[in-house]
Amino acid sequence: GAGVSQSPSNKVTEKGKDVELRCDPISGHTALYWYRQSLGQGLEFLIYFQGNSAPDKSGLPSDRFSAERTGGSVSTLTIQRTQQEDSAVYLCASSHAGPGYEQYFGPGTRLTVT
Amino acid sequence: AQSVAQPEDQVNVAEGNPLTVKCTYSVSGNPYLFWYVQYPNRGLQFLLKYITGDNLVKGSYGFEAEFNKSQTSFHLKKPSALVSDSALYFCAVRDLIKAAGNKLTFGGGTRVLVKP
Repeated sequence: GAGVSQSPSNKVTEKGKDVELRCDPISGHTALYWYRQSLGQGLEFLIYFQGNSAPDKSGLPSDRFSAERTGGSVSTLTIQRTQQEDSAVYLCASSHAGPGYEQYFGPGTRLTVT
Repeated sequence: AQSVAQPEDQVNVAEGNPLTVKCTYSVSGNPYLFWYVQYPNRGLQFLLKYITGDNLVKGSYGFEAEFNKSQTSFHLKKPSALVSDSALYFCAVRDLIKAAGNKLTFGGGTRVLVKP
């Protein structure tokens, strides 16, 4: 079946511009996660959705970062006024609800801020 | 707070030899443990998990891992490595106490290079 998809695969933007990253989870997965992967910081948790609600936003690094999920499916991660330190690969994952279920990851969006 | 340590940045092994990738963890409650593999320019692929039950868990592509509660370890093993196993491997933990939420905490990753 179809896996997690993310778009765009690559995004180059100028410092100060806003960007939107999209995630399409596996159908039927109610849990959705965003992570960031960078050379210096490894894999960092950003935010977790259960349905359309985000009970855990503890990993968002600043108020420039926000995310929403609609219809219990597609999620968008928005970064406002991008900075060079935002350059990273942004990974989305989805899973069934419950702590024992493994997360399935998308291919990621590579964001480069110039 | 939960944490994961992968003490080796890189592991080199000859094809056909046993492969071990080390992982230790720290949690406040009980752990759920996961291994993922990442090939170049790809997302993470799930390999195996420990939830409860037998300490030795078997996963995809001939990999297995052993949960050791006293040593707080979850080392990944493969009896006979293949060149195609060359990739970046991540260990991850989920702490089951409510305050930890649902997130996975990842180790820094171990690059495995299998030489023919």
